[in-house]
Amino acid sequence: EAAVTQSPRNKVAVTGGKVTLSCNQTNNHNNMYWYRQDTGHGLRLIHYSYGAGSTEKGDIPDGYKASRPSQENFSLILELATPSQTSVYFCASGDWGGAQNTLYFGAGTRLSVL
Amino acid sequence: AQSVTQPDARVTVSEGASLQLRCKYSYSGTPYLFWYVQYPRQGLQLLLKYYSGDPVVQGVNGFEAEFSKSNSSFHLRKASVHWSDSAVYFCVLSAPNTNKVVFGTGTRLQVLP
Repeated sequence: EAAVTQSPRNKVAVTGGKVTLSCNQTNNHNNMYWYRQDTGHGLRLIHYSYGAGSTEKGDIPDGYKASRPSQENFSLILELATPSQTSVYFCASGDWGGAQNTLYFGAGTRLSVL
Repeated sequence: AQSVTQPDARVTVSEGASLQLRCKYSYSGTPYLFWYVQYPRQGLQLLLKYYSGDPVVQGVNGFEAEFSKSNSSFHLRKASVHWSDSAVYFCVLSAPNTNKVVFGTGTRLQVLP
């Protein structure tokens, strides 16, 4: 069964602090994604990756960095966290082509920046 | 650029009633289209997907969706809803040549017992 695991599940951070959200997938998918979910906005794409060593900017990349050190792992980094980054963050993995056209999501990380 | 519109932010139906959740998309070619469901404090789970073939696709738990290229739509349907179907439903588009994925803003479904 395809699996995407996010850690931590909950995080409280202080303004100006550094936050790292981690994502691990056992699906051997090339593509991985980070989204944030806010009321009234649905899911918005922050960064994505086509494979190990690659990161691409999504629709709302400002204030975030991403790192893909391996096929399995994709991290989202907030170097200087701000209260506006309080949100629920979802990681997903997926590949495209034929029967593989599916995104698999993690359970989410609830981040509060005080 | 591709986009997805879910015009209904909230839908309320009675248990046993039929359901349609609307989704309109904008894309010049043939996109991958998905419906996902999100239960409270959980991640998104796939209900069904479409890329080609029969425009009516069957999903889990009695859900189905119909693709219409002429109307640029991918509406979700269920013949008889159950209270446990209460959740947020997302229509999702992927443009194959970009590998990017676009979400609608979601429709919150409330099923009254």
